[in-house]
Amino acid sequence: GAGVSQSPSNKVTEKGKDVELRCDPISGHTALYWYRQSLGQGLEFLIYFQGNSAPDKSGLPSDRFSAERTGGSVSTLTIQRTQQEDSAVYLCASSLDLGTIYFGEGSWLTVV
Amino acid sequence: GQSLEQPSEVTAVEGAIVQINCTYQTSGFYGLSWYQQHDGGAPTFLSYNALDGLEETGRFSSFLSRSDSYGYLLLQELQMKDSASYFCTYNTNAGKSTFGDGTTLTVKP
Repeated sequence: GAGVSQSPSNKVTEKGKDVELRCDPISGHTALYWYRQSLGQGLEFLIYFQGNSAPDKSGLPSDRFSAERTGGSVSTLTIQRTQQEDSAVYLCASSLDLGTIYFGEGSWLTVV
Repeated sequence: GQSLEQPSEVTAVEGAIVQINCTYQTSGFYGLSWYQQHDGGAPTFLSYNALDGLEETGRFSSFLSRSDSYGYLLLQELQMKDSASYFCTYNTNAGKSTFGDGTTLTVKP
């Protein structure tokens, strides 16, 4: 597609369950980001992939969070043993150059 | 360390001019960008400054002073639809973009 695609758009899960969030970046974009945003808050950096370099995982809040990017394209963010504080919108973005980042519409996660 | 500071809230009236300031601290600074986010929507790119000076795009302008680690977003002829959150972000030469906490702009009639 023309833009960054994320799925699912909405996910309600029970506390303690694992969830997987998918991101399909813009074709050809070498950089991919995951951010988390709670209601009314700023964007919290989670992880950054750039080409074949080792990802910058410095923003992952705990070892329950992990992400991978296969073939330099699609990325999956996995949250294990979800907690209520994990409820947020998870935004994926991709870029080709250093100036412009293109965001997907986000995956809205609710942990009940 | 690394940080970004911008005001949390700004209020202005329709037709006015508003300036949102941003100061940053980081190593390997490459450029400063601005993004707009409406409630319930995804952030969208507004402007980018890699060099000192003013960049103008329609009603929006952005300024950067690398020596002062400072930039601003200027919005002219404010419209109600400009009510949104505005984020300054910096890029480092490693490519990573870091976002500030955002400024909520409220435009009143």
